Amino acid sequence: AQRVTQPEKLLSVFKGAPVELKCNYSYSGSPELFWYVQYSRQRLQLLLRHISRESIKGFTADLNKGETSFHLKKPFAQEEDSAMYYCALAGLGAQKLVFGQGTRLTINP
Amino acid sequence: GAVVSQHPSWVICKSGTSVKIECRSLDFQATTMFWYRQFPKQSLMLMATSNEGSKATYEQGVEKDKFLINHASLTLSTLTVTSAHPEDSSFYICSAPVVAGGTDTQYFGPGTRLTVL
Repeated sequence: AQRVTQPEKLLSVFKGAPVELKCNYSYSGSPELFWYVQYSRQRLQLLLRHISRESIKGFTADLNKGETSFHLKKPFAQEEDSAMYYCALAGLGAQKLVFGQGTRLTINP
Repeated sequence: GAVVSQHPSWVICKSGTSVKIECRSLDFQATTMFWYRQFPKQSLMLMATSNEGSKATYEQGVEKDKFLINHASLTLSTLTVTSAHPEDSSFYICSAPVVAGGTDTQYFGPGTRLTVL
């Protein structure tokens, strides 16, 4: 069964501190992993995907197949990073997304 | 960028009535759209895949007679909650994919909050 687990519902860090949002997944094949972000009063939007291997807004995420993880990292958090973050999985070639429970990130000034 | 709209943004209805929610792709065509449901403080759960010109595909545990989906055009999918009950109160979100460079990107609507009294 496909499953995405985000162990932290809430995460609070100070501005300038490193941040890591954890995501673990369960999938029998080769998944596509995504991070979606939802800022206050805005719709869900794609932050990054593992196949792109790019950094968006200073965030990076590396797919670790051995640990079945796709943690989201940023070395220096900014106040505008405060948002709800969802890790999501799709089977290769599929468009249906399975979401984790989400982590609410708060960056304190 | 691609924009997906939903209408209405919120709706309150009486128990036993039916409610229709629209999902539109404003500047692109979508042969497939997806409907998600989100309960308070919970994650998004896929309900069904809406297919233009054919029947929707429902996820396990989702009653197709309860949640009617119609995808009559390349820019519009509708979700009708029939005989709504208070337990159907939720946030309903649709998404539509845009394919570019060989990869799909899902664009989400703003969601519709349904409250059934």
